[in-house]
Amino acid sequence: SQLAEENLWALSVHEGESVTVNCSYKTSITALQWYRQKSGEGPAQLILIRSNEREKRNGRLRATLDTSSQSSSLSITATRCEDTAVYFCATDPNTDKVVFGTGTRLQVSP
Amino acid sequence: NAGVIQTPRHKVTGKGQEATLWCEPISGHSAVFWYRQTIVQGLEFLTYFRNQAPIDDSGMPKERFSAQMPNQSHSTLKIQSTQPQDSAVYLCASSPRTGGGYAEQFFGPGTRLTVL
Repeated sequence: SQLAEENLWALSVHEGESVTVNCSYKTSITALQWYRQKSGEGPAQLILIRSNEREKRNGRLRATLDTSSQSSSLSITATRCEDTAVYFCATDPNTDKVVFGTGTRLQVSP
Repeated sequence: NAGVIQTPRHKVTGKGQEATLWCEPISGHSAVFWYRQTIVQGLEFLTYFRNQAPIDDSGMPKERFSAQMPNQSHSTLKIQSTQPQDSAVYLCASSPRTGGGYAEQFFGPGTRLTVL
């Protein structure tokens, strides 16, 4: 079973709309990262949120973390076509490694 | 800063042949990670090095996969006797430090391996 997983396989929105990707994880963590992977590229980090933080923002992106329910969300406001990508959450189950979820595929259409 | 460089970008091998994939991490980064990505399995951890030393290879299929980091400027992933199920995108990432969730990983564009 996945140590971290996004709750939806795919999402589709129109430009300008807001969207939220959710992630759940199974172990205690020190931090959770959100990554985005565009077609033909490797993943790139968007936000890192520590276990003692509840919310983190980066421009149009907002991540939340709820350690009691072992869940996190990534919200994107005013989506653009270039936000089309796969979004991963990644956690560290108290090791040096980071475990990636299976990803949510976001399609933003004009 | 060129980022993490992976070569080749695409490789096609016949079943039973050997494939060697190359990764040049970002200069100064102490950790190098290898992942395999498929639609079905997602991003699977293979192995990682810290300061060129192998630390964890728990994700590596033991019999045909091997990884090395002979110097701080490159790492290789070798797959012997490739099989069709090895077809995947192999991603290399480097990080300025280890520390699990605190350490951002910088990924290369990946090598798409196709085994016919």
